Amino acid sequence: GIQVEQSPPDLILQEGANSTLRCNFSDSVNNLQWFHQNPWGQLINLFYIPSGTKQNGRLSATTVATERYSLLYISSSQTTDSGVYFCAVDSGGGADGLTFGKGTHLIIQP
Amino acid sequence: SQTIHQWPATLVQPVGSPLSLECTVEGTSNPNLYWYRQAAGRGLQLLFYSVGIGQISSEVPQNLSASRPQDRQFILSSKKLLLSDSGFYLCAWGGSGGARQFFGPGTRLTVL
Repeated sequence: GIQVEQSPPDLILQEGANSTLRCNFSDSVNNLQWFHQNPWGQLINLFYIPSGTKQNGRLSATTVATERYSLLYISSSQTTDSGVYFCAVDSGGGADGLTFGKGTHLIIQP
Repeated sequence: SQTIHQWPATLVQPVGSPLSLECTVEGTSNPNLYWYRQAAGRGLQLLFYSVGIGQISSEVPQNLSASRPQDRQFILSSKKLLLSDSGFYLCAWGGSGGARQFFGPGTRLTVL
């Protein structure tokens, strides 16, 4: 099946810093999504971005489908940005089930 | 707007006991429904998906089963729990054709 690799696995930053999270995938995809999991376990859908660039406030994402990678940018980090960020792609099976990477654990220190 | 509910929020069960986790979606019709499991705090694994009432597909062989008795209800079950069934179970819904997926709050299951 398709492989999804995320880097870095862990990242510690000071409040106000910028960061770039990377997601590499092993095959072509029709569906790529970024999620944020907060400390209570809730998964929030940040972006649906199979290709191109999108922005939502301090967050933006870019997917280069031909080169099989996606980037999530976080600018002017806040402590509430802490948590685990997941990249997920369609698994190639039915009904658009997702294959997740192992995530990037982000800690923003005040 | 659409909302997704899961219960219970936490569950502690002995090995060999049965399991029933419920997921319901409001504000949408004929959604695709999914069950995922997250073990050890990282990475989610797709367990089951459903495109309609009574239609269940399994992604991995396991000790669990799923059912969809109503359009917006998805149930995860087991007849006899194993220690390895412990984890964080998340239900999600999405539209057809590669749409975004939205997750419920999850159920933390501990099997002792």
